[in-house]
Amino acid sequence: DTAVSQTPKYLVTQMGNDKSIKCEQNLGHDTMYWYKQDSKKFLKIMFSYNNKELIINETVPNRFSPKSPDKAHLNLHINSLELGDSAVYFCASSQDLGQVGEQFFGPGTRLTVL
Amino acid sequence: GNSVTQMEGPVTLSEEAFLTINCTYTATGYPSLFWYVQYPGEGLQLLLKATKADDKGSNKGFEATYRKETTSFHLEKGSVQVSDSAVYFCALKDSGAGSYQLTFGKGTKLSVIP
Repeated sequence: DTAVSQTPKYLVTQMGNDKSIKCEQNLGHDTMYWYKQDSKKFLKIMFSYNNKELIINETVPNRFSPKSPDKAHLNLHINSLELGDSAVYFCASSQDLGQVGEQFFGPGTRLTVL
Repeated sequence: GNSVTQMEGPVTLSEEAFLTINCTYTATGYPSLFWYVQYPGEGLQLLLKATKADDKGSNKGFEATYRKETTSFHLEKGSVQVSDSAVYFCALKDSGAGSYQLTFGKGTKLSVIP
């Protein structure tokens, strides 16, 4: 039974399109995260939510909008996709904000913008 | 601010060789330290952790000791296997109140050849 799942696993789209990536965790955790990993494997935090409340909102273009309908879900919507958005996006969760060091990661969504 | 510096990769070793991946950090206060591993095509997984000076984290034959005097948390394994081929990330969590994110190093890719 997958702990943190993401859909889709691969996403190929044209510049200018709008797309969403979904994330669900069945661990009962309070805190969820979105990361972007570039081609050199560098990992950058984008957002974190705790009990549906936005906690971290790093310097990310406002074309990226997270939405947390409930504690178990954190979706990422991206408007007007650009070539530079191509990357692997990871969702993660932790039990709560205090357990930020012990995160469970999803399998990633590889986004390719053409 | 906080930072984590890892040795540049890639690192290529023969099976059964000894592994060291260096990690040093800069932080205010007394951070907790972590090693994560990312196998090809997967999300990150927590490998081991240490929460205070002189603690040793260990898991799956890997070890790392929290050295406050040298601000280091080097990852070691006595005998690597092909299945250890992955990218390894060192990370820290600041001890300060309101510290709700991990600071990751840039990752070190390890390839183990038979």
